[in-house]
Amino acid sequence: DGGITQSPKYLFRKEGQNVTLSCEQNLNHDAMYWYRQDPGQGLRLIYYSQIVNDFQKGDIAEGYSVSREKKESFPLTVTSAQKNPTAFYLCASSTREVAGGDTQYFGPGTRLTVL
Amino acid sequence: GNSVTQMEGPVTLSEEAFLTINCTYTATGYPSLFWYVQYPGEGLQLLLKATKADDKGSNKGFEATYRKETTSFHLEKGSVQVSDSAVYFCALPSGGYQKVTFGTGTKLQVIP
Repeated sequence: DGGITQSPKYLFRKEGQNVTLSCEQNLNHDAMYWYRQDPGQGLRLIYYSQIVNDFQKGDIAEGYSVSREKKESFPLTVTSAQKNPTAFYLCASSTREVAGGDTQYFGPGTRLTVL
Repeated sequence: GNSVTQMEGPVTLSEEAFLTINCTYTATGYPSLFWYVQYPGEGLQLLLKATKADDKGSNKGFEATYRKETTSFHLEKGSVQVSDSAVYFCALPSGGYQKVTFGTGTKLQVIP
């Protein structure tokens, strides 16, 4: 079955540590996205990538980094510079025609807790 | 840029009640409009969409009509079930970029 996988589902880290969240898709989509979800704030875009080896900052990129070395993979690193990293992180993918009405497909999410 | 405003929740309804969740938008032109649903502990999934003005999207008994006169895309269902309990997000493309802007979400709880 085609879809998006995120791992791990739950992640705990100590303050001051970097951590990398995995996102893999087998939908052959060009575009991939990372969102952060906090209670009562909807989804906020962290980074997005429209094609391999290219990515752009979203609305809240500070303290995060990404890479896009392969079409199917878009890992997110939460660095120690992110002041409040505890949140639910969602990865998504789509064709490059979102503006024309194409759907975003989401993974199941990773819940990150900083201890 | 484009934006959406949706009614705040939580919304609590009895089973078989009528549901309306309001969504209004501000946009350049007439972009596609979406409703996504998020069940507890999961990612989002598309519920329905409309790609042009006056279109009606429908799925699983839910409907929404793209109304350019009132810049609205309200979600409705005639008879909700306990299994409809979830968070519902209105969304639209962020004008000119391959991004999507989401509303803040409306939590629906349906009680037996």
